[in-house]
Amino acid sequence: GAVVSQHPSRVICKSGTSVKIECRSLDFQATTMFWYRQFPKKSLMLMATSNEGSKATYEQGVEKDKFLINHASLTLSTLTVTSAHPEDSSFYICSARWQGSYGYTFGSGTRLTVV
Amino acid sequence: QKEVEQNSGPLSVPEGAIASLNCTYSDRGSQSFFWYRQYSGKSPELIMFIYSNGDKEDGRFTAQLNKASQYVSLLIRDSQPSDSATYLCAVTLSHTGTASKLTFGTGTRLQVTL
Repeated sequence: GAVVSQHPSRVICKSGTSVKIECRSLDFQATTMFWYRQFPKKSLMLMATSNEGSKATYEQGVEKDKFLINHASLTLSTLTVTSAHPEDSSFYICSARWQGSYGYTFGSGTRLTVV
Repeated sequence: QKEVEQNSGPLSVPEGAIASLNCTYSDRGSQSFFWYRQYSGKSPELIMFIYSNGDKEDGRFTAQLNKASQYVSLLIRDSQPSDSATYLCAVTLSHTGTASKLTFGTGTRLQVTL
């Protein structure tokens, strides 16, 4: 089946630094990648939709300059949290749907802790 | 009104019983409906999807969809302790469109007791 590989699985960074999260589609071409954020005991909230070769579409309330998304190829999308602060600590998950499929596949998630 | 609504629970059922999880959605244009299971600290895993009115069965799981009532449910028969998790309902506006986003409910926490 379709697999999305997400790295790193866990990262701890200092406040003010930037962190990059990568999602790779291993056996299909992901023209669109969805990025979610999940706070403890809360549901997944869509942050942005990235499209290969074009600008990402951000959900209302998500800061474009803080959460930089790059989707430079059909198999790689990255999310960079810039100038991270403790309130950015969360579980970040990517997801994609492969052509002709009903289902969505999810990355394994990245637990970001900003100290 | 939230787009996808679920009772947060916890829903507690004894081992071997039937667990019934419910979800309502607001957009009548919704086409496909998904149930995901999520263990703490893990990514969601797909249990079932459904897109036609009626029931769809897969092993111990049955999804039920009623588009007129904008309601989708998941029944888990013979509940096991390993079923204890948060169950997320999700909907999308397109059957197979790769750019169609998935909108999640808040999730229902299920506890299966011994």
